[in-house]
Amino acid sequence: DGGITQSPKYLFRKEGQNVTLSCEQNLNHDAMYWYRQDPGQGLRLIYYSQIVNDFQKGDIAEGYSVSREKKESFPLTVTSAQKNPTAFYLCASSSRFYQPQHFGDGTRLSIL
Amino acid sequence: AQKVTQAQTEISVVEKEDVTLDCVYETRDTTYYLFWYKQPPSGELVFLIRRNSFDEQNEISGRYSWNFQKSTSSFNFTITASQVVDSAVYFCALMTGTASKLTFGTGTRLQVTL
Repeated sequence: DGGITQSPKYLFRKEGQNVTLSCEQNLNHDAMYWYRQDPGQGLRLIYYSQIVNDFQKGDIAEGYSVSREKKESFPLTVTSAQKNPTAFYLCASSSRFYQPQHFGDGTRLSIL
Repeated sequence: AQKVTQAQTEISVVEKEDVTLDCVYETRDTTYYLFWYKQPPSGELVFLIRRNSFDEQNEISGRYSWNFQKSTSSFNFTITASQVVDSAVYFCALMTGTASKLTFGTGTRLQVTL
């Protein structure tokens, strides 16, 4: 079945450590997005990419980095510069302008 | 700037009651799209509906209905005869611009009990 796969489901980060969240889609979508969700809050956009080898910062990009080397993959790295990384991270993709975004199951990141 | 307001943080109803979730948006764009998503306890967001700014027709899908009013910048969502399986967090979102970025409201948690 077509969809978006995020891994791992749970992730723990030590102080000073970078961690990478995986997002893969087999929907042949051009655009991909990363969101952060904190308890009781809506989703906030971290980074997005509309085409391979190109990406833009969202509203809360500081402390995060991404790459888009393949159409189907959009990994997110949470760097040690992100001082409050504990959150639920959701990856999404969409086919073209104004189309609904389809979401993965999310990764829950916590600090050890 | 775009903004979506969901003033209802949490709603509790008894099964079979009707419930309306409110959504108010702000944008200066003339072309935009509005969405509703459902987030069950498992965490993934499930797409429910998309409505563009030029189509003010209300929509009904089974027990779900949506009322879009540009005059009040509102896009409200009604569940008729609610069921326990409707328990979830519901997000309203606004999409503008060719980058198709979504601006989300803070969500409304709906609890349906027997």
